[in-house]
Amino acid sequence: AQSVTQLDSHVSVSEGTPVLLRCNYSSSYSPSLFWYVQHPNKGLQLLLKYTSAATLVKGINGFEAEFKKSETSFHLTKPSAHMSDAAEYFCVVIAQGGSEKLVFGKGTKLTVNP
Amino acid sequence: KAGVTQTPRYLIKTRGQQVTLSCSPISGHRSVSWYQQTPGQGLQFLFEYFSETQRNKGNFPGRFSGRQFSNSRSEMNVSTLELGDSALYLCASSQNAANYNEQFFGPGTRLTVL
Repeated sequence: AQSVTQLDSHVSVSEGTPVLLRCNYSSSYSPSLFWYVQHPNKGLQLLLKYTSAATLVKGINGFEAEFKKSETSFHLTKPSAHMSDAAEYFCVVIAQGGSEKLVFGKGTKLTVNP
Repeated sequence: KAGVTQTPRYLIKTRGQQVTLSCSPISGHRSVSWYQQTPGQGLQFLFEYFSETQRNKGNFPGRFSGRQFSNSRSEMNVSTLELGDSALYLCASSQNAANYNEQFFGPGTRLTVL
């Protein structure tokens, strides 16, 4: 079965420093992977998606992620954190095999310190 | 274009009662999916409706049910509420079924069961 593991439940960075949110996946198929962001009291917003095209995927708000099959990873990065990036981030895989439902990681809460 | 709307935003019920939550998708979207978000279990897929038919279902007991109307609005119902049903219930809409690249989330309904 497809699954994702977000390696850190909390990440804290200073404004202007790089962000790294780690995600490993498990999939029997070539996976479709996503990162979503959830700001407090708001719904989820799609940041970026990987669907077997380019391995380096650029998303909104300066975020990008690199699909590494050899490491089964899909880490999310941003060169310079902004205060508005403080939120919870979810790594997501599509469970194939007929159901095509989203399977979410447990989430990583990002704190950005001034 | 208006986003996904969910009503009510907050709800308090007691054990044994039933509850109905409503979701209005983005105009023109025909697929609505429901998710349950709790601190312990994270985000879990409940079900997806497309053109008034349940297309996919997650691993939840039969107390959780849903339906979709001809205008694509969807409702989910939880009967015989349990304390563990306290959660944020999110709905998401997309233009076509299984089009997870373009799934838009509402702000959620926070259900508290006392």
